[in-house]
Amino acid sequence: AQSVSQHNHHVILSEAASLELGCNYSYGGTVNLFWYVQYPGQHLQLLLKYFSGDPLVKGIKGFEAEFIKSKFSFNLRKPSVQWSDTAEYFCAVSRVSGTYKYIFGTGTRLKVLA
Amino acid sequence: KAGVTQTPRYLIKTRGQQVTLSCSPISGHRSVSWYQQTPGQGLQFLFEYFSETQRNKGNFPGRFSGRQFSNSRSEMNVSTLELGDSALYLCASSPGTGGGSGYTFGSGTRLTVV
Repeated sequence: AQSVSQHNHHVILSEAASLELGCNYSYGGTVNLFWYVQYPGQHLQLLLKYFSGDPLVKGIKGFEAEFIKSKFSFNLRKPSVQWSDTAEYFCAVSRVSGTYKYIFGTGTRLKVLA
Repeated sequence: KAGVTQTPRYLIKTRGQQVTLSCSPISGHRSVSWYQQTPGQGLQFLFEYFSETQRNKGNFPGRFSGRQFSNSRSEMNVSTLELGDSALYLCASSPGTGGGSGYTFGSGTRLTVV
């Protein structure tokens, strides 16, 4: 069955540290990939998405993600985090063909210390 | 433009009762999907509606049902509530079916079953 794994459930970083959150999926076909963010007390927001083309995708607030097809991965990165990046981050995968499936990972809680 | 609106924001119900949640998508969005979010399970897909038709359904019992109206507004109903139904229920809209361009989420309805 298709699944999305986010191996880091909780991450604590100091401001200015670099961030990388892992996301792996298990579906072998063509997929669209997404990262969503949920700030405390706010609704889920789309951070960035990958459909095709350049595997390095840039999103809002300085975030980027790299699609590595051979590793079935779509890791989220940010060179220097800020206290305001404290949030929960969700990776999601959508099948392009076949039966529609849009699956979220279980999320990674990021806490940035000022 | 207005975002995805979910009502009510909070609900407290007793076991065995039923509940109806409402979602108004972004104007022009014809697809509405529902998710259940819990700390242990993350976001679990309930169903998607597009042009008043259910296009896909997750692995939830038949007590969970939904519908979509001609103006794209959607309702979700849960009958014979169980304690385990306590969760944040999220509605997400997108222009087309499958969420391929990414979802816009509402703030959710927090349901507590006592």
